[in-house]
Amino acid sequence: AQKITQTQPGMFVQEKEAVTLDCTYDTSDQSYGLFWYKQPSSGEMIFLIYQGSYDEQNATEGRYSLNFQKARKSANLVISASQLGDSAMYFCAMSPWNYGGATNKLIFGTGTLLAVQP
Amino acid sequence: DAEITQSPRHKITETGRQVTLACHQTWNHNNMFWYRQDLGHGLRLIHYSYGVQDTNKGEVSDGYSVSRSNTEDLPLTLESAASSQTSVYFCASTRGAGYEQYFGPGTRLTVT
Repeated sequence: AQKITQTQPGMFVQEKEAVTLDCTYDTSDQSYGLFWYKQPSSGEMIFLIYQGSYDEQNATEGRYSLNFQKARKSANLVISASQLGDSAMYFCAMSPWNYGGATNKLIFGTGTLLAVQP
Repeated sequence: DAEITQSPRHKITETGRQVTLACHQTWNHNNMFWYRQDLGHGLRLIHYSYGVQDTNKGEVSDGYSVSRSNTEDLPLTLESAASSQTSVYFCASTRGAGYEQYFGPGTRLTVT
């Protein structure tokens, strides 16, 4: 069964430091997409970054980068220069493909709660 | 600006009642999804639709149904609400593979 595992329930980081949030996934599909979402205390889901399984380069979006290691089935999120506003829950998600192509649905991990300290 | 909205934002209902949660998007996306969020589980897929008249069951579909009569709306119905269905419900839509899912603001449902 396809599964996303986030092993860090909670993390602390000092303001202006970098932090890595871990994500591993389990799938036998050759094609899939990997996503990271941020959920602040206000509750909305905010898209951060996307990586396709055939993308050779790691995705980057501003201060966010995705460290994609396909052989290890890991898709860690790196946040550089943490800010107080980065304090939130972070979810890793996978979009599987099937014989018909992309399913577009998301399988989520249980999330990591990040607290940025001044 | 295109958006995705959910209503109501908060709902309290009694066990056994039928409840319908609305989801409306103006992105003109064919792909729409319903998830529920519970502590310790992240978000789990309830139902989804790839277009008008198309509906599919997700991971946790028991006790829920959806219908898709137009592109913009995917209402979620709880046939007979149970306390186990107390949760936060998110609707989402996407253009397709490789594109982000846009999420609605969520509906907090309490079943007493």
